[in-house]
Amino acid sequence: EAAVTQSPRNKVAVTGGKVTLSCNQTNNHNNMYWYRQDTGHGLRLIHYSYGAGSTEKGDIPDGYKASRPSQENFSLILELATPSQTSVYFCASGDWTGVYEQYFGPGTRLTVL
Amino acid sequence: GDSVTQTEGLVTLTEGLPVMLNCTYQTAYSTFLFWYVQHLNEAPKLLLKSSTDNKRTEHQGFHATLHKSSSSFHLQKSSAQLSDSALYYCALSRGKLTFGEGTQVTVIS
Repeated sequence: EAAVTQSPRNKVAVTGGKVTLSCNQTNNHNNMYWYRQDTGHGLRLIHYSYGAGSTEKGDIPDGYKASRPSQENFSLILELATPSQTSVYFCASGDWTGVYEQYFGPGTRLTVL
Repeated sequence: GDSVTQTEGLVTLTEGLPVMLNCTYQTAYSTFLFWYVQHLNEAPKLLLKSSTDNKRTEHQGFHATLHKSSSSFHLQKSSAQLSDSALYYCALSRGKLTFGEGTQVTVIS
């Protein structure tokens, strides 16, 4: 089965600090995605990537950067974390198989104090 | 742009009764529709998918039919189980997924 892992699983950060969330996939999918999940908003797309070296802005990219150094790895970076970025973050991978199905990682719970 | 609407935010129902969760969408393009299910403290997982008009698709006791004429993809199950308690998302895909806000389902005995 498809495998997407995320680290850390839980993170407490201070306001103004830098946070990096990591995602690794062993599916050999070209596409990777970062979402945040908040009650009342569902899953919202932050950044995505079509392959190594590419990143694209999603629907809510402000305050976030992304990096895709390889096919397997996709990072989400919060340069200056704010309390409003407290959320659960999910990474997903998918491919252009004609279905565009995505496989999600277990999530990272981030708290910014 | 694309959008997905799930009208029920919270649904509480009794075990054994039928379930129906509404999903309507807007897109100018041909697309896939999905239902994802997320149990507590777990990742969202695909439950159903379809791109074929008026064809019923089934999985794990749930079913849905894509109706392009009404832009709907409602999720149904004939008899709810306690284990169906979860968060359900409807989504459409054109390369990237657009999710609805989700419906939290609680099944009580």
